[in-house]
Amino acid sequence: QSALTQPASVSGSPGQSITISCTGTISDIGGYNYVSWYQQHPGKAPKLMIYDVTNRPSGVSDRFSGSKSDNTASLTISGLQAEDEADYYCSSYTSITTDLHVIFGGGTRLTVL
Amino acid sequence: QVQLQQWGAGLLKPSETLSLTCAVYGGSFSGYYWSWIRQPPGKGLEWIGEINDSGRTNYSPSLKSRVTISPDTSENQFSLKLSSVTAADTAMYYCARGRGKVVPAAEIDLWGQGTVVTVSS
Repeated sequence: QSALTQPASVSGSPGQSITISCTGTISDIGGYNYVSWYQQHPGKAPKLMIYDVTNRPSGVSDRFSGSKSDNTASLTISGLQAEDEADYYCSSYTSITTDLHVIFGGGTRLTVL
Repeated sequence: QVQLQQWGAGLLKPSETLSLTCAVYGGSFSGYYWSWIRQPPGKGLEWIGEINDSGRTNYSPSLKSRVTISPDTSENQFSLKLSSVTAADTAMYYCARGRGKVVPAAEIDLWGQGTVVTVSS
């Protein structure tokens, strides 16, 4: 099945806010609230930043927030910091088959200018 | 502090079977689903499948015919076997913990260090 669609890259200056979109279908993002976002620094394992569309795990900065509208989920990072520069991946549960599984987006490279 | 440590063969020939193992240290094996996720060089993440301590599995439909994930609850370990590998299976492979109550893999909160697997003749 196709991956979720993310922009290849976004950029912003320190202190600014940016939003990364993740577009799917009614069979995944649009139909369920099981959207997650992961941050991955080069050479490192991904880190969970948002789950169930809007929830932040303990220890994740409140500068990170998630939302969803129709078939598109979004990750917003406010007050950009240099350490936010990383790749970001969305994921969602999908009911496209009877197998219970998740799919990921292709990833977005965030550059802090 | 719970940690995942993984290991396995890093270089395979086409048609061979990939085999990786992941151990759970410092925490409970039960009550979670344990996933394998891979990432080809320079590309995005792909979820492979998951298992719980009862041996219940869920697999990605695109890999289901070649994947087996097994638990070893006595050792707090789980393993991945991927048969008939090709160059397209070259990737960093991660083991991970899913804690979502309804869709475990929708909430991957703990990751192993990753194992690079290269398939080349």
